[in-house]
Amino acid sequence: GAVVSQHPSWVICKSGTSVKIECRSLDFQATTMFWYRQFPKQSLMLMATSNEGSKATYEQGVEKDKFLINHASLTLSTLTVTSAHPEDSSFYICSASSLDARLAGRSSYNEQFFGPGTRLTVL
Amino acid sequence: RKEVEQDPGPFNVPEGATVAFNCTYSNSASQSFFWYRQDCRKEPKLLMSVYSSGNEDGRFTAQLNRASQYISLLIRDSKLSDSATYLCVVNMDMEYGNKLVFGAGTILRVKS
Repeated sequence: GAVVSQHPSWVICKSGTSVKIECRSLDFQATTMFWYRQFPKQSLMLMATSNEGSKATYEQGVEKDKFLINHASLTLSTLTVTSAHPEDSSFYICSASSLDARLAGRSSYNEQFFGPGTRLTVL
Repeated sequence: RKEVEQDPGPFNVPEGATVAFNCTYSNSASQSFFWYRQDCRKEPKLLMSVYSSGNEDGRFTAQLNRASQYISLLIRDSKLSDSATYLCVVNMDMEYGNKLVFGAGTILRVKS
């Protein structure tokens, strides 16, 4: 299967600082990358969808000026949490999908391959 | 109303038991359906797709009822390693690509 990595796996920062999280597709070119957030005992919530070379599409209620997404290449997307506050503490997960038919796998849809997640704690 | 609803559980079952999870979704325009498995503090992993005709993968059987907007997952002969949170997921085609909508998950604990 396709491999997606995230860095860092966990981060602790002070309130008011900015944190950058990287998402990389290691063995395929990701046409689209997705950023999710998961609070404890809650479902994954899609924050934004980004296509390489274009602006990200943010879900309703997600502040685009606070959560900056850059998808500069087909293998890398970054999420920057600006001026982080304790309420931003969460599990951030990225996923990547490709139009490469070889990755179609078991399902007919454009499968998303998930990174291992980044646990952010803001003090 | 949540877009995808699941019973949070937990379901505590002995090894070897059969357990069933249910899920309902609200958007009739949903295109495709899945069950994912998520272990504690890990990313979700695709378990299986769900089709109207029903599909089976070893001990796992999934079923979709489009008319009732209802999805199910049956696990037979439960193993300790099946302990996890099972996420019901609905895919919708958007202008910008696929959008996966996740349920909050059902916790399964299999005990010896």
